[in-house]
Amino acid sequence: EDQVTQSPEALRLQEGESSSLNCSYTVSGLRGLFWYRQDPGKGPEFLFTLYSAGEEKEKERLKATLTKKESFLHITAPKPEDSATYLCAVGTSGSARQLTFGSGTQLTVLP
Amino acid sequence: DVKVTQSSRYLVKRTGEKVFLECVQDMDHENMFWYRQDPGLGLRLIYFSYDVKMKEKGDIPEGYSVSREKKERFSLILESASTNQTSMYLCASSYSGSTDTQYFGPGTRLTVL
Repeated sequence: EDQVTQSPEALRLQEGESSSLNCSYTVSGLRGLFWYRQDPGKGPEFLFTLYSAGEEKEKERLKATLTKKESFLHITAPKPEDSATYLCAVGTSGSARQLTFGSGTQLTVLP
Repeated sequence: DVKVTQSSRYLVKRTGEKVFLECVQDMDHENMFWYRQDPGLGLRLIYFSYDVKMKEKGDIPEGYSVSREKKERFSLILESASTNQTSMYLCASSYSGSTDTQYFGPGTRLTVL
């Protein structure tokens, strides 16, 4: 069974204090690893897709990396507007277009 | 830009009522999905569809049904709403290509009294 575990569950940072969120996965046949941002009361917003170990993608203060067992979402010099829940999901060769989601990391950036 | 819309942001219904939640996407995506999201339980897949008139059960289909008569529209039906179906309902769509990226709608917060 595919499993996705995110840590920490919650993270509080001061503005400008860089950190990383972790997504570890146990799957057979990874097709892609996805990061989403979700604001309270809204639907998840797509951020990145990573396909193979060693791949990296960046968007503003966010950088996502992928290894064979985990992915990191690095947040550099965060601002209060980066506060949100960040979700990780995997698609696998056996899942026929479905994604398996982690439970998310709730990030709070204090001014 | 991909746009997925849902018929209501907030909905309040009574126990036993039949409830329709509608989702529309404008990107000609083949795949559409319905999830519910609850604190501590994350996103759970209810039903999905790969094509018009096709449907597949997800992890928690009990108490729900779906309809996909047109490619852009995917409806979730609660045949007889119960209080344990109070939740945030999220619709998503994706393209049947090399990527499985799903794009989500804004969500419907359903309260069943």
